[in-house]
Amino acid sequence: DSGVTQTPKHLITATGQRVTLRCSPRSGDLSVYWYQQSLDQGLQFLIQYYNGEERAKGNILERFSAQQFPDLHSELNLSSLELGDSALYFCASSVGTSGRGVYEQYFGPGTRLTVT
Amino acid sequence: QQPVQSPQAVILREGEDAVINCSSSKALYSVHWYRQKHGEAPVFLMILLKGGEQKGHDKISASFNEKKQQSSLYLTASQLSYSGTYFCGTESTDKLIFGTGTRLQVFP
Repeated sequence: DSGVTQTPKHLITATGQRVTLRCSPRSGDLSVYWYQQSLDQGLQFLIQYYNGEERAKGNILERFSAQQFPDLHSELNLSSLELGDSALYFCASSVGTSGRGVYEQYFGPGTRLTVT
Repeated sequence: QQPVQSPQAVILREGEDAVINCSSSKALYSVHWYRQKHGEAPVFLMILLKGGEQKGHDKISASFNEKKQQSSLYLTASQLSYSGTYFCGTESTDKLIFGTGTRLQVFP
């Protein structure tokens, strides 16, 4: 158990809908990262937050947004869902301070999103 | 600028050795290695930092050639538990970009 929690575990929804994925980092970790992993694909970096502020952005679609709250939990919002958005979405956390680079990341169990 | 890993897949018998390579076209601050078992989340193995500092696993070793922007992961005397997909992650500008993955299967 990495100490990172993600809810829900599974999500099935229709095209055009909007969903919110939730992540709670390990105690003491300030950075949260979101990744997308499609079937048999690698991990695509979406976005990183550090202590409530956006720190780095990857290949995140405009239909997707995220935020990190004062209690450090994070939410990833996916809207106008398309079939191609079906994937496993991982959240990871790390101690992470700016200027040091990327620390080791601890991944949550993931949320499997199926868009029908 | 996704790093490229080779080989794509490796099949081993218990006790055999393997090397997984990771190559980037960009200058790197560090290289990270993770292992993901089927249906599970990736698990941190190791970080190699510019300048030679290394943190990680006691049964798996790795090297980082900063000039060539390459890293190699060495798995010696493989065990069944080593099976999974290995990802390298290359860091530049506060982002970790994961490689294409190497699937390793260890059989008895």
